[in-house]
Amino acid sequence: QKEVEQNSGPLSVPEGAIASLNCTYSDRVSQSFFWYRQYSGKSPELIMSIYSNGDKEDGRFTAQLNKASQYVSLLIRDSQPSDSATYLCAVDGSYIPTFGRGTSLIVHP
Amino acid sequence: DTGVSQDPRHKITKRGQNVTFRCDPISEHNRLYWYRQTLGQGPEFLTYFQNEAQLEKSRLLSDRFSAERPKGSFSTLEIQRTEQGDSAMYLCASRSEERTADTQYFGPGTRLTVL
Repeated sequence: QKEVEQNSGPLSVPEGAIASLNCTYSDRVSQSFFWYRQYSGKSPELIMSIYSNGDKEDGRFTAQLNKASQYVSLLIRDSQPSDSATYLCAVDGSYIPTFGRGTSLIVHP
Repeated sequence: DTGVSQDPRHKITKRGQNVTFRCDPISEHNRLYWYRQTLGQGPEFLTYFQNEAQLEKSRLLSDRFSAERPKGSFSTLEIQRTEQGDSAMYLCASRSEERTADTQYFGPGTRLTVL
């Protein structure tokens, strides 16, 4: 049973702060890792994908992958109220992604 | 807009009725996925296609569910004899082939309510 674990939150941060979202996974052969943002009532929106160990930056977002520790994280710098949403981690090793339950992020002014 | 479209966006039906949903993926993507999502949960895998071939189907999927992707283009998901427990958001996702540019994009979803 492939598992992806996320803290359901909510994670509350002040505007302008760094939000750190974490995800652990059980399947060691996983090769592709995705972070999605999902607003209430909407479908998931792809933010970042990462495939190799280390950091990948895109604007205010940085994804970090550590395959040895089976850990992937997402940092959001200069958090804005519009970043308030649920963030889903997805992990894939066989073209069938497994999703976590998501972490709810609240950015308060 | 991700380029993945789904129809209808909302469906209300009575228990026992059949429903069919359609998904049109990004044209150059040959992998197409169906997921189901309920409140507070992540998307749950249902089935996926590579071109017209259905390569995998979740063991959790009852035989009331069937999916097709004729000609490797659009896909349909049919639920027969709907039950109240089928109420959920049904998501379609389209995925590129290349590992080095591996991306999966979701459509807007079809929200099903079974009365």
